[in-house]
Amino acid sequence: GDSVTQMEGPVTLSEEAFLTINCTYTATGYPSLFWYVQYPGEGLQLLLKATKADDKGSNKGFEATYRKETTSFHLEKGSVQVSDSAVYFCALSDGEGSNYKLTFGKGTLLTVNP
Amino acid sequence: DTGVSQNPRHKITKRGQNVTFRCDPISEHNRLYWYRQTLGQGPEFLTYFQNEAQLEKSRLLSDRFSAERPKGSFSTLEIQRTEQGDSAMYLCASSLGQVASTDTQYFGPGTRLTVL
Repeated sequence: GDSVTQMEGPVTLSEEAFLTINCTYTATGYPSLFWYVQYPGEGLQLLLKATKADDKGSNKGFEATYRKETTSFHLEKGSVQVSDSAVYFCALSDGEGSNYKLTFGKGTLLTVNP
Repeated sequence: DTGVSQNPRHKITKRGQNVTFRCDPISEHNRLYWYRQTLGQGPEFLTYFQNEAQLEKSRLLSDRFSAERPKGSFSTLEIQRTEQGDSAMYLCASSLGQVASTDTQYFGPGTRLTVL
């Protein structure tokens, strides 16, 4: 079945540091890939998405590129801020055959210190 | 667009009691999903509705769980004879039901269930 493996946390960085959170996936079809973010006390929010190979999703300074050859969708940001502290979830949707349901990784807690 | 809403936000119950949660999706969203999230884990799919039809149920959804979406609008998730293992955050999400390239699920704030 489908699965998502993402970097174990927690990750602690200083403000303005470079961020990478690794995500790899296993899927039977050609999935769409997502990063969701959960800020403290809030619900899941879509951060970015990519729907086909070599697509790059970007939002709020975060980027991730859909790499079919390595089945990866790593999240990056060049300069993190304290306000980026949150839990980040990588997810996939395996298309119409799976009713577009999302399969999530376990999440990575990011803490950014001033 | 007021977003996906869920009620109640918190529910504490005793083992063996029945509980019901409600989800109001974004208006005009055809698809509605329920997920369960336990501490330190990502959300896990429970069930899916296309309009009023329940089209898929996960193996996680035991016979004690039932979900409905009458008239294709709001949805309810009922857990009968709750067990301590049911303690989790129950998340609802909705989407427009477009093709994959544009279909995005929007999540509600969740209902946190604690079974004593």
